[in-house]
Formats: sequence, structure tokens, C-alpha cells
Amino acid sequence: EAQVTQNPRYLITVTGKKLTVTCSQNMNHEYMSWYRQDPGLGLRQIYYSMNVEVTDKGDVPEGYKVSRKEKRNFPLILESPSPNQTSLYFCASSPNPTLAGGGDTQYFGPGTRLTVL
Amino acid sequence: RKEVEQDPGPFNVPEGATVAFNCTYSNSASQSFFWYRQDCRKEPKLLMSVYSSGNEDGRFTAQLNRASQYISLLIRDSKLSDSATYLCVVNGGNNRLAFGKGNQVVVIP
Repeated sequence: EAQVTQNPRYLITVTGKKLTVTCSQNMNHEYMSWYRQDPGLGLRQIYYSMNVEVTDKGDVPEGYKVSRKEKRNFPLILESPSPNQTSLYFCASSPNPTLAGGGDTQYFGPGTRLTVL
Repeated sequence: RKEVEQDPGPFNVPEGATVAFNCTYSNSASQSFFWYRQDCRKEPKLLMSVYSSGNEDGRFTAQLNRASQYISLLIRDSKLSDSATYLCVVNGGNNRLAFGKGNQVVVIP
């Protein structure tokens, strides 16, 4: 089954404790992206990747890191989480990097609900 | 002006009625437009792309007005299962998509 998976789905952690949220897609998509969704603010892009070893900042990259060593995986790293990073996080992938920002469907993972105390 | 603006609602719609809402965008160079559906606490899923000529998919009709920079979504014969948040999505340039905050639709029996 074609899908985007994220782990963990739910995480409660404390300020300053490094964490990684994994994202994996089995559709051989070149484009991958991370979003956060907060009440009243909608979906905001954190980072995106056009292909392996190519990553770029989105609208709200502060406090986050990403890597794209393999096509299928795009982990989101919070080196020192803070309470303002409490949010619902979505990973997404899209088949065509030249169209992904311009015209291709994005397939979303099920989301990771993160709480930072 | 925000990149993508939507009236969050909620839009309370009697079952069987028609509901329509617009989304305005600020980037006149945008070329791609979408409506995504998001159920509570779930991931967004593509509902339909919006083409220049407008397009229809069953009970859903999407229109694009480039001159006024808005897209619209119309839902006919609303079903209870249509209750969701509808996200307007526009390409914002630089390989990124801009999302609106969504129109919340509640279909009432």
C-alpha cells in the first residue's frame, strides 16, 4: 500500500530533550516536506527536500533540523525542544519535485502530536 | 495581505443543501490551486485540483478567478460525511505550497 508513515504518532517530552520524528514514504517520491499545524494558524512549512541531500528552509525552520540521506526517509530533528514547539506535525511527499511546489499532489502522513512540557 | 485567506466559519449547512465558499490568494504569479479536505485531527487529503476552466467532481465544483485572485468550492446536496475542514492551497513560489486556515463545514441532519 502506497503510504507515508510517521513515528511516533504521539509524544510527550520535556524541554531540552533531543528528539527525532521519523518519516518514510514507499512511493519513490523525490519531494518531501514537514509541516506543523497549530490552531488558528493553519499548516506552515518547516523544511522541504527536493531530492536526496537537498534540503531547504520553509516558513518556520527555527528550532528544527532535517536530513535526507535516502530518498524514502526524511526525519525531523528537534535538538532542544521548547514548549512553543508543541504542535501537530505532518510529513508529506510528492512525486515531481519541479511541480511539487507548483502543481503536484502532496500525500500526507498521519501526523505526530508532540507535547513539550 | 496573507498569502491565502479563508473564512474559517463554521459553515452550518442543512443536509441536502448547497454550500459555497471562496479563498483569496495574494501571489498573482501562482499557477496551481487545490482544495484539500481535512477531518478532525487527521491528515489533509487532496479533494481536487482547480483548473483555469473550472472543474467538477460529482457534487463538488471548483472555480478559479484569476482576475480577482480567488478560488471557490461549491458542495451540492450536502451529506453528513461532508463535515470537515476544507483547505485552500496555492503554490507560493520557491517550491512551496501556501495553505489557508480552512473553511470548517458542519452538515446538520
